[in-house]
Order: sequence, then structure tokens, then C-alpha cells
Amino acid sequence: TQLLEQSPQFLSIQEGENLTVYCNSSSVFSSLQWYRQEPGEGPVLLVTVVTGGEVKKLKRLTFQFGDARKDSSLHITAAQPGDTGLYLCAGESGGTSYGKLTFGQGTILTVHP
Amino acid sequence: ETGVTQSPTHLIKTRGQQVTLRCSSQSGHNTVSWYQQALGQGPQFIFQYYREEENGRGNFPPRFSGLQFPNYSSELNVNALELDDSALYLCASSLMGGPREQFFGPGTRLTVL
Repeated sequence: TQLLEQSPQFLSIQEGENLTVYCNSSSVFSSLQWYRQEPGEGPVLLVTVVTGGEVKKLKRLTFQFGDARKDSSLHITAAQPGDTGLYLCAGESGGTSYGKLTFGQGTILTVHP
Repeated sequence: ETGVTQSPTHLIKTRGQQVTLRCSSQSGHNTVSWYQQALGQGPQFIFQYYREEENGRGNFPPRFSGLQFPNYSSELNVNALELDDSALYLCASSLMGGPREQFFGPGTRLTVL
């Protein structure tokens, strides 16, 4: 059974601070996706990383896929209250596992003004 | 382009009853995956439907079943409801072989009393 461990589970910071969320596994994934989920809504895809060592930037968000494709991180620079939400990482094993995601347990981020 | 829709939004059932949840996939997508998200947890993969057949299943008992229709919409059926089935049920649509991204619906909140 593939597992994705996400840390920290909770993060409460002040506006303007930086933060990093980690997603780790003992399994190799063909791709890893990061989602953000608001209360009462479904997850919304932020980014997909597929190549070991890949780094993608989305405004103040930086996503990295580990060289061995077993871990990933999400770094937010100068967090804003609008960044508040549940952040989820999800891995896909590839091959016949297309579209079948293994999710981490999520990180609840609260950014205080 | 129409997004993923799910119905109903909320549902309350009693233990032992049966329930059917519905999902309409995004225009142009041919694959639907269903996930169960317990409170405070990441989503867990239930199963996926492609070409009207089950195309992979997670660790869920047979009382969880589904259908996909020629228009790619899908149903999730749960028989003999248990208290632990209370959760947010999410469907996600994607294009098999296409970009590695899934689009989630807003979910159906099921409460089993």
C-alpha cells in the first residue's frame, strides 16, 4: 500500500511569513499533484510535477519534486490571508494507475492578517 | 466548458439504507474517479470508471459499486450504509491518456445516522 505522509498537519502563521509543506513517501510516483481545498468545495489542482528534481513556480508558490520522485514540497513566500485553506499532495503511480491518486492527509494552513 | 457537477449536495441516511450519488463529468472528459474524504483527512480512492467499466478499485468493500453512462456521467451506489460511511464523496473527471490532471466536483456530504 502506497502512503503519502504530509507535514505539518496544521500551520498557523502571520501574513508575510514564509512556509513549507512537505510530502514524503517510501514509494516512487510517476507524478505528484498539489491541490488546495476550501470548505464545502472539491480540491482544485495547483500544479503537477512529473520529472525528478523538477521545480515549478506559480506566483508566490514554489513546488519541487524530489530527485527520486518519492517526495515533494510546497513553499509559499510572503503568505497572505487568501492562502488560507487545506493543501493536499497526491501521487499517481503511473501505468494502469492513471488518474488513481493517493492523497496525503492534508495541511490546514491559516494565515492571520 | 461545463465543470464537474455532483448531486445531491447533502444527504442524510440511516444505517442499513442504500444511497446513490451522481456525477456529471467535465465536457470532453471520459474518465470518472470517485473518492471518499472523511472529516480532517485526505480523499481516499474508491474506484474509477472508463468506457463504462470499472478501471481500478481502492480498498473498499463490494457494497460500494458504480456505473458510468454513455455520456460519461457516473453514479456511486453504497448499500447497507454504516456510520463510518459518513463523509464527503468527491468525483473527479479526466481524459484518459491526456494531461495528468483531474477536475473535482464540489462533493456530496453524506451523513449516516
